[in-house]
Amino acid sequence: DTEVTQTPKHLVMGMTNKKSLKCEQHMGHRAMYWYKQKAKKPPELMFVYSYEKLSINESVPSRFSPECPNSSLLNLHLHALQPEDSALYLCASSTTGASSGNTIYFGEGSWLTVV
Amino acid sequence: SQQGEEDPQALSIQEGENATMNCSYKTSINNLQWYRQNSGRGLVHLILIRSNEREKHSGRLRVTLDTSKKSSSLLITASRAADTASYFCATDAGGQAGTALIFGKGTTLSVSS
Repeated sequence: DTEVTQTPKHLVMGMTNKKSLKCEQHMGHRAMYWYKQKAKKPPELMFVYSYEKLSINESVPSRFSPECPNSSLLNLHLHALQPEDSALYLCASSTTGASSGNTIYFGEGSWLTVV
Repeated sequence: SQQGEEDPQALSIQEGENATMNCSYKTSINNLQWYRQNSGRGLVHLILIRSNEREKHSGRLRVTLDTSKKSSSLLITASRAADTASYFCATDAGGQAGTALIFGKGTTLSVSS
């Protein structure tokens, strides 16, 4: 079982809605990540937080807004999304960065449908 | 951005057979990891191999790494129906994204009983 918990598992939202995806880990990891995955495609990196600071933003549109309130929590705030944003959103965490050879642990994901 | 390319994209085998998946990447790496994903689920870490290692084993899994060719292979021996899943290689791409994993396109493995 994964130790990265994502809520909600499924979310349907309209293009004018504001919603949030939440992610929690209690493994003491200091790096946390958001990935987006479309059907039959690999996960694509969106954001990286390192020690609660945003370290990487892979040119993600501003309608996606990440937030790291503390070392255990990672949120992804969603506003004015488009239908093409419908995807599986995966949260992950690791002790420190991947370049140090740390395993990255993934949650089960949040399925987002934008209507 | 995308780092790895898996080959083949899809693989269908019978239970008991071995499955080999290959991965090629573009930039220098510190390590390469293989992940498994059941349909619609999160990714599960399988094995990590560092750039100074050439081969690693874990149970029925064997991973090789050839940094001169920028390629890796994952061998699953004596496959089972439960091995049916998508398999991704992932590398820590250098530069700005060096602290995160960049995934290859993946291989979809189907094991029939």
